[in-house]
Amino acid sequence: DGGITQSPKYLFRKEGQNVTLSCEQNLNHDAMYWYRQDPGQGLRLIYYSQIVNDFQKGDIAEGYSVSREKKESFPLTVTSAQKNPTAFYLCATRGRYNQPQHFGDGTRLSIL
Amino acid sequence: SQQGEEDPQALSIQEGENATMNCSYKTSINNLQWYRQNSGRGLVHLILIRSNEREKHSGRLRVTLDTSKKSSSLLITASRAADTASYFCAPWTEYGNKLVFGAGTILRVKS
Repeated sequence: DGGITQSPKYLFRKEGQNVTLSCEQNLNHDAMYWYRQDPGQGLRLIYYSQIVNDFQKGDIAEGYSVSREKKESFPLTVTSAQKNPTAFYLCATRGRYNQPQHFGDGTRLSIL
Repeated sequence: SQQGEEDPQALSIQEGENATMNCSYKTSINNLQWYRQNSGRGLVHLILIRSNEREKHSGRLRVTLDTSKKSSSLLITASRAADTASYFCAPWTEYGNKLVFGAGTILRVKS
């Protein structure tokens, strides 16, 4: 089945801990994105990557890090520097330029 | 900012009625995209309308675009309870490589 797989669905972070959210795609899309969504709000862009081994900061990159070592994978690490990490995190991909994005089903991160 | 801003913030209608959501943006665009999000899920793409198009249809969905007013609307006809969701518009600018989403319109369709 083609698409985008985000895991885990739910994640809990302890104080001072880094956690990594997984995003895997088999759509053969070059571009991948990470968004954060807070309750009742829209999506805010954290990081995006248009090609392997390259990525750019979005609007709220502080406290987050990413890597893009493979076309299929774009993991997001929420570091201890991110003081308010509780949110719903969405990964998306895009094929050709200015075409629609495809979204995963998200990871909900909470603080213990 | 090229952020799309949706209006109204929330809309509650009866099944069978039409629902209209509006979107305004601030800069020149290459296209404008509409997405739906069911509670606790990812976004699903609905329609993409290019800057040289004025209207586009897909099933019960009708999207209009007025680039002179920098606005777009999404009409859902004969709404169903399953249409209950949040709806987002997202402009794609000529020189950008990312979408910027507004806060969305929460649509509730009562059966």
